Amino acid sequence: GQNIDQPTEMTATEGAIVQINCTYQTSGFNGLFWYQQHAGEAPTFLSYNVLDGLEEKGRFSSFLSRSKGYSYLLLKELQMKDSASYLCAVWDSNYQLIWGAGTKLIIKP
Amino acid sequence: EADIYQTPRYLVIGTGKKITLECSQTMGHDKMYWYQQDPGMELHLIHYSYGVNSTEKGDLSSESTVSRIRTEHFPLTLESARPSHTSQYLCASSGQGEAGELFFGEGSRLTVL
Repeated sequence: GQNIDQPTEMTATEGAIVQINCTYQTSGFNGLFWYQQHAGEAPTFLSYNVLDGLEEKGRFSSFLSRSKGYSYLLLKELQMKDSASYLCAVWDSNYQLIWGAGTKLIIKP
Repeated sequence: EADIYQTPRYLVIGTGKKITLECSQTMGHDKMYWYQQDPGMELHLIHYSYGVNSTEKGDLSSESTVSRIRTEHFPLTLESARPSHTSQYLCASSGQGEAGELFFGEGSRLTVL
């Protein structure tokens, strides 16, 4: 079956750096997404990786290793507003989007 | 900026009622989706559409129907609501951008008594 694994919850301190990992096992691969979802709100798009390597976008970076079935989202200079769930999702070979359950990130002052 | 709208935002109804959740987008996207999400849980695909007159079932489709008569409109209907349908329903659309990322509406939170 198809599966995406992320830690359920992480805690970090304001101003610090945090890395959220995602491992996937899917039937084929056509790209990996990271979304941010604040409590009670809809997910919003953060990043997309289809080739191996690091994509940087301001305070957020996303890394992909296709051979390892692995990605991470790196958040720098954490702010209180970064408290949210972070969802990893993968396009499989049929362009069906497989979602992880999300990682709830708690930022402490 | 995404332009995708859902109504109602909140709805409380009794068991056995028929309800339709509305979703409209003004981006001209061909692909539209309905997801169900319980608090702290993953998204479950209910239905999707790749264009007008095209609809497909997802993982949780057996108790609902959709239609796609116009590109911009993708309503979801529950013929007979049950307490197990209590959840957040998220509509999304995607276009032909580089990533084909999904744009989500604000959601419809349904409570069935």
